[in-house]
Amino acid sequence: QSALTQPASVSGSPGQSITISCTGTSTDIGGYNYVSWYQQHPGKVPKLMIYDVTTRPSGVSNRFSGSKSGNTASLTISGLQAEDEADYYCSSYTGSNTLVVFGGGTKLTVL
Amino acid sequence: QVQLVQSGAEVKKPGASVKVSCKASGYSFSDYFMHWVRQAPGQGLEWVGWIDPTDGGSRYAHNFQGRVTLTRDTSINTVYMDLSRLTSDDTAIYYCGRSLRTSGSYYLGNWGQGTLVTVSS
Repeated sequence: QSALTQPASVSGSPGQSITISCTGTSTDIGGYNYVSWYQQHPGKVPKLMIYDVTTRPSGVSNRFSGSKSGNTASLTISGLQAEDEADYYCSSYTGSNTLVVFGGGTKLTVL
Repeated sequence: QVQLVQSGAEVKKPGASVKVSCKASGYSFSDYFMHWVRQAPGQGLEWVGWIDPTDGGSRYAHNFQGRVTLTRDTSINTVYMDLSRLTSDDTAIYYCGRSLRTSGSYYLGNWGQGTLVTVSS
C-alpha cells in the first residue's frame, strides 16, 4: 500500500482538462511544499513534470499545472493530447527516515 | 548533457545479494545527491534511498534499512546500490536518479535507464 493515495485511473477527451488528486497526511503533503509529479509512458523512464508543488521544469508544457490544499495535491492537465496518455505518480517529502514517498500511480487514458 | 548509465540486468537466487552501478557524466558528480527508486512489475514507484557523493553520507527508506547500502566511487563518477537477503518481492526495475538541484533536493531530475533485478530460485 502506497503512502500517498491516487485514483487508479482517470480519462478525458482531447482538448478537455483533467485533474489527478494525491492525498497524504500532515506529515508529508500537508506539512511541506515539496510535492512533485512524474509522468511515465509504458516501458519508459519516469519524467519529472512538476516540483515544489507548482513549478514546471524547463521544457515541460504549460498545460501541466500543480496545486495543493491541505493534505491533498493535484495535477491538472489542460488541452489534453494523445501524447499525455501515461501513468502519473505524485511524490512528497516526509519528515521521517523515508524521505520521499510516492503515490500508487494514476493511469490517464485519452479517449 | 547529463547521463546516467546503469549496469545490466541481474538474476539472483533468494537470499543472495545484488550490486547495481550507476555511472554519471555531463555534470559535476559531487554536487548532486543520487536517489535510488524501484518499480516492481506492473507496480508503482518506491523510494529506496539517497547518497551524497561528496562524503558518502546516505539515508535509506524504512523498508530497506539493514538490507541496502549505497556507496560511491568519485574517481569514476559512479554510485552503487547493494541490496542483500533478496526475496521474490525484490524483483523490480531499479533506477538511479540525480537530484534536481544541488544540496540534495527531493526530486529526481534525471534518471538512469533502469536495471531489472529478477529474484528467482
